[in-house]
Amino acid sequence: DQQVKQNSPSLSVQEGRISILNCDYTNSMFDYFLWYKKYPAEGPTFLISISSIKDKNEDGRFTVFLNKSAKHLSLHIVPSQPGDSAVYFCETCKAAGNKLTFGGGTRVLVKP
Amino acid sequence: DARVTQTPRHKVTEMGQEVTMRCQPILGHNTVFWYRQTMMQGLELLAYFRNRAPLDDSGMPKDRFSAEMPDATLATLKIQPSEPRDSAVYFCASGFSFNSPLHFGNGTRLTVT
Repeated sequence: DQQVKQNSPSLSVQEGRISILNCDYTNSMFDYFLWYKKYPAEGPTFLISISSIKDKNEDGRFTVFLNKSAKHLSLHIVPSQPGDSAVYFCETCKAAGNKLTFGGGTRVLVKP
Repeated sequence: DARVTQTPRHKVTEMGQEVTMRCQPILGHNTVFWYRQTMMQGLELLAYFRNRAPLDDSGMPKDRFSAEMPDATLATLKIQPSEPRDSAVYFCASGFSFNSPLHFGNGTRLTVT
């Protein structure tokens, strides 16, 4: 039973354009959400997070949107750069109950 | 810049052999996680600890996998006996709490032939 899904396994985008990555979850008790970026042969690194009391958090070129009623999370990267080519994972947390769940990842390719 | 250190980076072994993977979490972090990444299943949680106590290891095949934290600077993941289907990249991660970002090591790539 996959509680967190990233339905697009891959995404290709032109440099300078917007990349939009999506993540859907089923458990309404999740209260903290994070995005990680992973390059080949390295571990994932933290990118940006949002708590359930907010619906948007922005950090430079990266913005995370949370739609609690739809149980949907998205990451916008604008403008996309070739160095953004990586696999992106969303993670959901439920502090009460100590529950962490990752999505299956989306591979992003930014073409120069 | 503090990092999570995992050893070895690569391990090739024959089916039936014991494999031990080690992880040094970031000093001061009180939660430690073991994940497995396969092509098909993304990041699969195997086990995690808080303050060195195991909280959940329901993701691990109990008959062959074991995870321990003998002290605050070392976490181990052991597979005995190993099988070809265990071939994957195993990541260790540490953090301050469940609502804080995780810091991942660079993984151990395990190949069981």
